[in-house]
Amino acid sequence: DSGVTQTPKHLITATGQRVTLRCSPRSGDLSVYWYQQSLDQGLQFLIQYYNGEERAKGNILERFSAQQFPDLHSELNLSSLELGDSALYFCASSVGGGPNEKLFFGSGTQLSVL
Amino acid sequence: AQKVTQAQTEISVVEKEDVTLDCVYETRDTTYYLFWYKQPPSGELVFLIRRNSFDEQNEISGRYSWNFQKSTSSFNFTITASQVVDSAVYFCALSEGFNAGKSTFGDGTTLTVKP
Repeated sequence: DSGVTQTPKHLITATGQRVTLRCSPRSGDLSVYWYQQSLDQGLQFLIQYYNGEERAKGNILERFSAQQFPDLHSELNLSSLELGDSALYFCASSVGGGPNEKLFFGSGTQLSVL
Repeated sequence: AQKVTQAQTEISVVEKEDVTLDCVYETRDTTYYLFWYKQPPSGELVFLIRRNSFDEQNEISGRYSWNFQKSTSSFNFTITASQVVDSAVYFCALSEGFNAGKSTFGDGTTLTVKP
């Protein structure tokens, strides 16, 4: 058990809808990262938050947004969903986000857009 | 732009064989970090190792060893005396600068270890 909790584990929705994925980092970790793993694009870094603020951005679509709350949990919001958004979305956390830190991953949320 | 290539899509070995997973990377940065992650059938990603661009020492951890060669831009991963529990998808990743999480991933190598 990595200590990172993601909910829900599975999500099935329709095109055009909006969903929210939730991530609770390990106790004490200030940095949260979001990744997308799909058959087409492979594993991609989406975005990072550190202590409530956006720290780094990757290949995140404009239809997607994220935030980190004062209690350090994070949410990834996906809107106007398309079939191609079907993927496994991972969250990871680390203490501060520095280069010598180990990332701990959650078990992911499997999103299916029908 | 950075790029990570894992040329081996799938590898199948018999238990107790040694196996090497290849990783070749491209980056213009002089400071970067390389990683290996394991994704077992359960789906969760597990961090295995991190190596920075200034440290070319090879590393051994139990049955796992990593060979970093800057001259060939490679960071290969060897499992000695493979076991069935090693069956997983292995990802090599590269991050530039000081953000360990902002990584570019290879496509992964699926390793199957047969009993």
